[in-house]
Amino acid sequence: DADVTQTPRNRITKTGKRIMLECSQTKGHDRMYWYRQDPGLGLRLIYYSFDVKDINKGEISDGYSVSRQAQAKFSLSLESAIPNQTALYFCATSDLVAGGYTGELFFGEGSRLTVL
Amino acid sequence: DQQVKQNSPSLSVQEGRISILNCDYTNSMFDYFLWYKKYPAEGPTFLISISSIKDKNEDGRFTVFLNKSAKHLSLHIVPSQPGDSAVYFCAASALSARQLTFGSGTQLTVLP
Repeated sequence: DADVTQTPRNRITKTGKRIMLECSQTKGHDRMYWYRQDPGLGLRLIYYSFDVKDINKGEISDGYSVSRQAQAKFSLSLESAIPNQTALYFCATSDLVAGGYTGELFFGEGSRLTVL
Repeated sequence: DQQVKQNSPSLSVQEGRISILNCDYTNSMFDYFLWYKKYPAEGPTFLISISSIKDKNEDGRFTVFLNKSAKHLSLHIVPSQPGDSAVYFCAASALSARQLTFGSGTQLTVLP
């Protein structure tokens, strides 16, 4: 089984619908992240969480919300989906690197979302 | 404004030759750098990292070079193999930032 599991892997929805992408991890890491990948733009950070009570906005948080239900679970919601939120979404986890850096990220396999 | 830039969207090399992927950054606070590799339908996976106290780090066929004065890093793959064909992302971190900033990626194709 994958260490970082995302569901659903693929989803097609319509404009205005509420969508939730879920992420669970078995790595025991405190830090979890949601990224979005778009062609030519790379990976952009949407939200991140360093523990259950620590939620932070990333570079492109508008139109998204998150919930950290437990150390192992971090979900991303689109309250009212719009077509420009069509993208590949990745959940990731990390542990602290010596010196306090956010080091290696462990990614899930991605959730492809299409908003019509 | 992108703080981490990969100006080459794609690169093709012959099997057995050297692949050089480049990355530039603008934020002088960045002092820890990583490379990730991504195959289609998979999540990115960590490849190699370097901190600013070094100018070179090697791991098998992969070497990362850091030129702090030029704010430039590069990933060398020698020899290149067809299985290295993937998208490569560079990423940077600063102790104060609490997160990684990624470049836009370079698609490497290694031709048999």
